[in-house]
Amino acid sequence: ETGVTQTPRHLVMGMTNKKSLKCEQHLGHNAMYWYKQSAKKPLELMFVYNFKEQTENNSVPSRFSPECPNSSHLFLHLHTLQPEDSALYLCASSQERQETQYFGPGTRLLVL
Amino acid sequence: GNSVTQMEGPVTLSEEAFLTINCTYTATGYPSLFWYVQYPGEGLQLLLKATKADDKGSNKGFEATYRKETTSFHLEKGSVQVSDSAVYFCALSDPYNQGGKLIFGQGTELSVKP
Repeated sequence: ETGVTQTPRHLVMGMTNKKSLKCEQHLGHNAMYWYKQSAKKPLELMFVYNFKEQTENNSVPSRFSPECPNSSHLFLHLHTLQPEDSALYLCASSQERQETQYFGPGTRLLVL
Repeated sequence: GNSVTQMEGPVTLSEEAFLTINCTYTATGYPSLFWYVQYPGEGLQLLLKATKADDKGSNKGFEATYRKETTSFHLEKGSVQVSDSAVYFCALSDPYNQGGKLIFGQGTELSVKP
């Protein structure tokens, strides 16, 4: 599925760094999502944007800051992360909030 | 609240064996049900879905039937291949509860040996 792209695919950062993850969808969808996938844990929904408005924040620490400038792009800004934040971060999109979600390939993040 | 339970893995099969991965759900409304697959090093791909009771989703030789009476959506394939090795996630989405939030099971790892 190439409808949802994510960059970078891999990222290594120190705890004092600031970095951003980018997601772009080419499917004409209106809703976009960030998920966190850690080893041996279920997927965790982090943020939801619907028509560029944030509609859900699942108690995510403030060191994760999302940005959705338009319906096609979604960013996740990272600062002062902890080693336990190391995970695969997945972006997804859907036509409407309740419709089928399509996922990007993910960004594998390692925090040292 | 809504939830999804999958059989624990890993599941190890020989090529051409029959596959069943069990999935049961709890929902207060009328959810849609999904199977997603995650190949090594990749994101999740939608494998199949069913939106109402007795619907059968199918794709790439995989099938799953939405069974409301047993609240199940078991994934089956008649003859697996090495290339089917991946992690399989069962999920539900209930638009009338929790705003259509996608609820995932914990995933079942499948390993197919030649």
